[in-house]
Amino acid sequence: GQQVMQIPQYQHVQEGEDFTTYCNSSTTLSNIQWYKQRPGGHPVFLIQLVKSGEVKKQKRLTFQFGEAKKNSSLHITATQTTDVGTYFCAGRKTSYDKVIFGPGTSLSVIP
Amino acid sequence: GAVVSQHPSRVICKSGTSVKIECRSLDFQATTMFWYRQFPKQSLMLMATSNEGSKATYEQGVEKDKFLINHASLTLSTLTVTSAHPEDSSFYICSAAPNRLIPGQDTQYFGPGTRLTVL
Repeated sequence: GQQVMQIPQYQHVQEGEDFTTYCNSSTTLSNIQWYKQRPGGHPVFLIQLVKSGEVKKQKRLTFQFGEAKKNSSLHITATQTTDVGTYFCAGRKTSYDKVIFGPGTSLSVIP
Repeated sequence: GAVVSQHPSRVICKSGTSVKIECRSLDFQATTMFWYRQFPKQSLMLMATSNEGSKATYEQGVEKDKFLINHASLTLSTLTVTSAHPEDSSFYICSAAPNRLIPGQDTQYFGPGTRLTVL
């Protein structure tokens, strides 16, 4: 079945450093979504990417969807302590399939 | 923005009892709701998908007689954990989708979750 993988599992960075998490799917995706879950909280939708090669930015966050629509990345520039949390990617083969979540990347930011 | 609530946020129960968790979409109608389970430091595992007015679709390995789902209205879905046991202790999260999986409009909005502890 469809699998969604993420690396790294954990990342500890000094405040101000950049951070990137990578998401890879075993199958081509129709779209990919990114969520952030703060410690003790629930997942919050960040963005959805649909087009091959798409790049979207939200302030210090840059999201990219691969040309083959099988991988994606989230890059945070100059991390802040408010960026702490677990970032999940979630994808589906078609818009009518269920969403499969990746295992998440847990980000810690050292002040 | 779209808000989804869950009740209760936390529940502790004795082994063998049943627990009902409610998921409500507060400012939109949700034709589709999803129930997930999340163990500590792990990802979200989809348990079932419910569509208003029809039976829920359960994922492989999820016992439908143990996890009863009712999506009685466009704003309310309930998950009942029947005869709960300690291994059912987990974080249960619902999400709601405002549209029936229409391409480009399939954003899910998550509830705050319910932490279930079975003694």
